Amino acid sequence: DAKTTQPNSMESNEEEPVHLPCNHSTISGTDYIHWYRQLPSQGPEYVIHGLTSNVNNRMASLAIAEDRKSSTLILHRATLRDAAVYYCILKNAGNMLTFGGGTRLMVKP
Amino acid sequence: DAGVTQSPTHLIKTRGQQVTLRCSPKSGHDTVSWYQQALGQGPQFIFQYYEEEERQRGNFPDRFSGHQFPNYSSELNVNALLLGDSALYLCASSLGRVLVYGYTFGSGTRLTVV
Repeated sequence: DAKTTQPNSMESNEEEPVHLPCNHSTISGTDYIHWYRQLPSQGPEYVIHGLTSNVNNRMASLAIAEDRKSSTLILHRATLRDAAVYYCILKNAGNMLTFGGGTRLMVKP
Repeated sequence: DAGVTQSPTHLIKTRGQQVTLRCSPKSGHDTVSWYQQALGQGPQFIFQYYEEEERQRGNFPDRFSGHQFPNYSSELNVNALLLGDSALYLCASSLGRVLVYGYTFGSGTRLTVV
């Protein structure tokens, strides 16, 4: 499976936008980019996914580079409830998600 | 609308014993996948069940086995427990054999092997 690289941790102030980067230079043409987040003491929660075009939903936006070798998850206004580990994952034709270490997002009031 | 339900929430077992963990998928979902999450790491895929059959398996030994029932609920069995099996076991449900959108995960079962 193609790998992703994310910063170990990031900090943000409450009510400010957050841009979480992910590098995936070995992505193949059929890999989808999935983002999940895991709040403390909970299972992972699906956030968003995309293939080539930028995507928006009620939780976040996903910006995908034109060459697809990187992507950015955008939280438009961080709240304390957004403090979590965010995982960027490449999913191919199979059903398995291969999680890496993720980015621990800390939100300061 | 109930999400994914897992039981028990916590469990302590002795090395060499066997354990069974249970999962009820989200209403409307027919596919169940199991993941193992060691402390401080991301989840690792164990296997997936669809139509009562194991459809895909990750890199786990045969000590890990599962079952899916006609009502789509699932069990994960681990035999001959090792200390290294201590982890959070997560159940994830989805619709259809191929994951198109996202999984819905349960909160997990914390297994401690002593």
